[in-house]
Amino acid sequence: QVHLQQSGPGLVKPSQTLSLTCAISGDSVSSNTAAWNWIRQSPSRGLEWLGRTYYRSKWYNGYAVSVKSRININPDTSKNQFSLQLSSVTPEDTAVYYCTRDHDDFNAFDIWGQGTMVTVSS
Amino acid sequence: QSVLTQPPSVSGAPGQRVTISCTGSSSNIGARFDVHWYQQLPGTAPKLLIYHYNNRPSGVPDRFSGSKSGASASLAITGLQSEDEADYYCQSYDSSLSGWVFGGGTKLTVL
Repeated sequence: QVHLQQSGPGLVKPSQTLSLTCAISGDSVSSNTAAWNWIRQSPSRGLEWLGRTYYRSKWYNGYAVSVKSRININPDTSKNQFSLQLSSVTPEDTAVYYCTRDHDDFNAFDIWGQGTMVTVSS
Repeated sequence: QSVLTQPPSVSGAPGQRVTISCTGSSSNIGARFDVHWYQQLPGTAPKLLIYHYNNRPSGVPDRFSGSKSGASASLAITGLQSEDEADYYCQSYDSSLSGWVFGGGTKLTVL
């Protein structure tokens, strides 16, 4: 059974960097049949895909145009987890952040983390 | 403004059938990219409900079904039950944005 466990601060100051981690159990961040994503949800923007990392003989990343200049998603194979870093945050980045798996069997987001409410405020 | 358009709300009585529409464009659903549906109960993460237009993950009742026509897709729920009361989201891939996109969500109320 695959499980994603999120961790990270719930409060970030404007202009600083938001950092979250997603620990994977029951699968591997280096899997050749899965991709690991970050999605956020807010009342104003709804559900918004932010980006992904995946391994297919080498590591690949893909990012949403809306955050491409500010985002990094990195795998950590030693801890079987992946992380999100979003820089220069503003109050518009306040949202619930989810890590998710996208498996080749579905090509959909089949496993979700529990969600982390992140507030950007001074 | 979401890339995929859903009605904000639908409702139905227990036992009835309801449908939720999801309208896209030629760069997403109309381009034959997959459509998936998610159910979100209050205070929880979304859960995959339908994938590849009309396939159900293990454990999802066959009361839930999906369909597609042109640049639109629909989710149908038959034999409505009180536990179906939730928010429902459609999702696809958009080639002009080079990323995955969601509908704005539809709140289902079971009367």
